[in-house]
Amino acid sequence: AQKVTQAQTEISVVEKEDVTLDCVYETRDTTYYLFWYKQPPSGELVFLIRRNSFDEQNEISGRYSWNFQKSTSSFNFTITASQVVDSAVYFCALSEGRRAASKLTFGTGTRLQVTL
Amino acid sequence: DAGVTQSPTHLIKTRGQQVTLRCSPKSGHDTVSWYQQALGQGPQFIFQYYEEEERQRGNFPDRFSGHQFPNYSSELNVNALLLGDSALYLCASSFGQYSSTDTQYFGPGTRLTVL
Repeated sequence: AQKVTQAQTEISVVEKEDVTLDCVYETRDTTYYLFWYKQPPSGELVFLIRRNSFDEQNEISGRYSWNFQKSTSSFNFTITASQVVDSAVYFCALSEGRRAASKLTFGTGTRLQVTL
Repeated sequence: DAGVTQSPTHLIKTRGQQVTLRCSPKSGHDTVSWYQQALGQGPQFIFQYYEEEERQRGNFPDRFSGHQFPNYSSELNVNALLLGDSALYLCASSFGQYSSTDTQYFGPGTRLTVL
């Protein structure tokens, strides 16, 4: 069965600090997809990134970067020079099979608080 | 380009009642999924609809049912409400059933409170 673990319940940082959110997943499928979503206080889940199991290249988008390591079943998310607007709950999610938009299994989320 | 919309925003019901939540997918999308998010938890998959049929279902009782209309919009129905059904209900839309490049985009959710 698929499972996603986000061990960090809450992280507090001061603005401009770098922060890494951890995600560990379990799956028996060889084809799967990993996602990160951001949930601000408004409640809407905002898509950040999708990665498939065959692409272990790290990705950088502005202040965001993602490190995918199949050897450790991890898909970690780093925010560089954090800002107050980054405060939100971040979810890591997994879908199995060839369809990227199949059922998503979410972790319990990490609440990030960035203060001045 | 309209995103995923849901109605109503908030809803208060009492135990035993029935509720219907509505979702309109993002323009160009034909697949709708529903998730339940209890306070402090990650979203839990309820089911997914494509071509007006339920294609995948999570571990939810039959009290949870859905429907998809020809215009791709969808409804989630919950019968015999329990206190534990209080949650944020999220709708997500995507395109196609065989794509390796698609992503689920979420709406703002409906906050259901059962008293």
